[in-house]
Amino acid sequence: DGGITQSPKYLFRKEGQNVTLSCEQNLNHDAMYWYRQDPGQGLRLIYYSQIVNDFQKGDIAEGYSVSREKKESFPLTVTSAQKNPTAFYLCASRTGENQPQHFGDGTRLSIL
Amino acid sequence: AQSVAQPEDQVNVAEGNPLTVKCTYSVSGNPYLFWYVQYPNRGLQFLLKYITGDNLVKGSYGFEAEFNKSQTSFHLKKPSALVSDSALYFCAVRDIRNYQLIWGAGTKLIIKP
Repeated sequence: DGGITQSPKYLFRKEGQNVTLSCEQNLNHDAMYWYRQDPGQGLRLIYYSQIVNDFQKGDIAEGYSVSREKKESFPLTVTSAQKNPTAFYLCASRTGENQPQHFGDGTRLSIL
Repeated sequence: AQSVAQPEDQVNVAEGNPLTVKCTYSVSGNPYLFWYVQYPNRGLQFLLKYITGDNLVKGSYGFEAEFNKSQTSFHLKKPSALVSDSALYFCAVRDIRNYQLIWGAGTKLIIKP
């Protein structure tokens, strides 16, 4: 079945440590997204990529980095510069501009 | 500024009764509107969208939404609620500057047996 796979489901970060969240899709979608979800808030866009080897900052990109070397993969690195990383992180993808986004089941990141 | 508002943090409905989850928007030009549902510790699932055409849009799981241009609203509705409809519901509108989605804060829907 086609879909988006995020791993791991739970992740713990130590102070000063960078961690990488994986997002893989087999839907052949061009565009991919990373969102952060905090309780009581809507989704906030971290980074997005419309094509391979290209990506743009979203509203809250500081302290995060991404790469898009393959169409299927869009990993997110939460760097030590992100001082409040505890959140639920969601990856999404879509085909055309008017098409809905498809979401993975998220990674919950916590601080040790 | 473009924005989406979901004025109710929580909506409580008895099973079998009709439900409405409200959404209002503010955008320049014609709005592209979406509704999604999220179950605990899961990603979002697409329910329906309005791009153009009929103001009443039908979607998944018996949900529908009514687009009202004069009131700038896009309320989600279902004629008869199920306990399994209990979840978090998000409204979103497409940002005309970069074609990405602007999300509402979400409404928790609780259906009581």
